[in-house]
Amino acid sequence: GAVVSQHPSWVICKSGTSVKIECRSLDFQATTMFWYRQFPKQSLMLMATSNEGSKATYEQGVEKDKFLINHASLTLSTLTVTSAHPEDSSFYICSARALTYNEQFFGPGTRLTVL
Amino acid sequence: QKEVEQDPGPLSVPEGAIVSLNCTYSNSAFQYFMWYRQYSRKGPELLMYTYSSGNKEDGRFTAQVDKSSKYISLFIRDSQPSDSATYLCASRGYQKVTFGIGTKLQVIP
Repeated sequence: GAVVSQHPSWVICKSGTSVKIECRSLDFQATTMFWYRQFPKQSLMLMATSNEGSKATYEQGVEKDKFLINHASLTLSTLTVTSAHPEDSSFYICSARALTYNEQFFGPGTRLTVL
Repeated sequence: QKEVEQDPGPLSVPEGAIVSLNCTYSNSAFQYFMWYRQYSRKGPELLMYTYSSGNKEDGRFTAQVDKSSKYISLFIRDSQPSDSATYLCASRGYQKVTFGIGTKLQVIP
């Protein structure tokens, strides 16, 4: 199956700082990438969808100025959590889909802890 | 009403048992149906992907979709302790995938 990587796998930061998470599709070109957030014992919550070269589409209730998404190439998308606060602590997971696939493949996730 | 409903469990079975995991969905526009396995603190791993009603088998796993009743099932034969994980059902229309909350499965040796 297709491989999606994420970096870093975990990060701890101080409140008020910004954190960037990278998502890469390793063996296919991802025309669409998705960013999810998952709280303990809850399902995946879609934050935004991004198509390569276009602005991301954010789900209702997700602040686009706080969660900056860039999908500059067919293999890389980044999520930047700006001015992070403790309530932003969560498990962030990216997912990617190629134009020719119907399946969606997930990265291993990034655990963010904001102190 | 959630678009994809799934019993969160937990579900405990003895090793070797047949496991049945189920979901229902409400959106008639859903065309694609998936099952993902998620181990603790890891990203979901795609297990099964189906498009039409009927059964799809892959090793010990069988996915079943009944579009008339909007019912999705995953069967695991000869369950192993390594199958212990959370299983997420998911459905998709044109673009966005909607996930169930996940069923936590524990296979006891």
